[in-house]
Amino acid sequence: ETGVTQTPRHLVMGMTNKKSLKCEQHLGHNAMYWYKQSAKKPLELMFVYNFKEQTENNSVPSRFSPECPNSSHLFLHLHTLQPEDSALYLCASSHDRGGTQETQYFGPGTRLLVL
Amino acid sequence: GQNIDQPTEMTATEGAIVQINCTYQTSGFNGLFWYQQHAGEAPTFLSYNVLDGLEEKGRFSSFLSRSKGYSYLLLKELQMKDSASYLCAVRDGDYKLSFGAGTTVTVRA
Repeated sequence: ETGVTQTPRHLVMGMTNKKSLKCEQHLGHNAMYWYKQSAKKPLELMFVYNFKEQTENNSVPSRFSPECPNSSHLFLHLHTLQPEDSALYLCASSHDRGGTQETQYFGPGTRLLVL
Repeated sequence: GQNIDQPTEMTATEGAIVQINCTYQTSGFNGLFWYQQHAGEAPTFLSYNVLDGLEEKGRFSSFLSRSKGYSYLLLKELQMKDSASYLCAVRDGDYKLSFGAGTTVTVRA
């Protein structure tokens, strides 16, 4: 248990569906991250929020829409996804964006399958 | 772009030692992390190096050479529960992490 929870753990959706992934951290952190992990590929950073403000959008398609209502919660809204979007979506948090020894703590991920 | 290389797979015997190498070429360097990820679970933090040398934490040690763009994670007295994927990640600025594809370690009895 890392203090970062994600729901749902598994999700199957059609290309015309709309769904949302939820992340919650119980660590008192101020920065939150969305990553995509595809099989045999490096983790790809998607979005970064610091004190609820989005500070990074790593050229992510608009069919992925993040939302950060407060420092403890992060959502990823999904619509009209493609089969190649099937992957493990990981949420992470850290105390702040900066700092020399800033460590990111990860949630267990949502395994997404787009049919 | 960032380039982080590590072997895809390694196999070792219970009780043995395994060394996972990681080489990197990044636009900046502000520390190197190792994470462990069991199948279907969250990556968990193992170690952090920002200065050259060896950091030891129980059965796990991590080494860094900044001039060579090289790190390794050393796992000693391997146990079955050490079977997992090990991720090397470099922080190239104040917060962004660039990850390698991970090394899957299989420990055999």
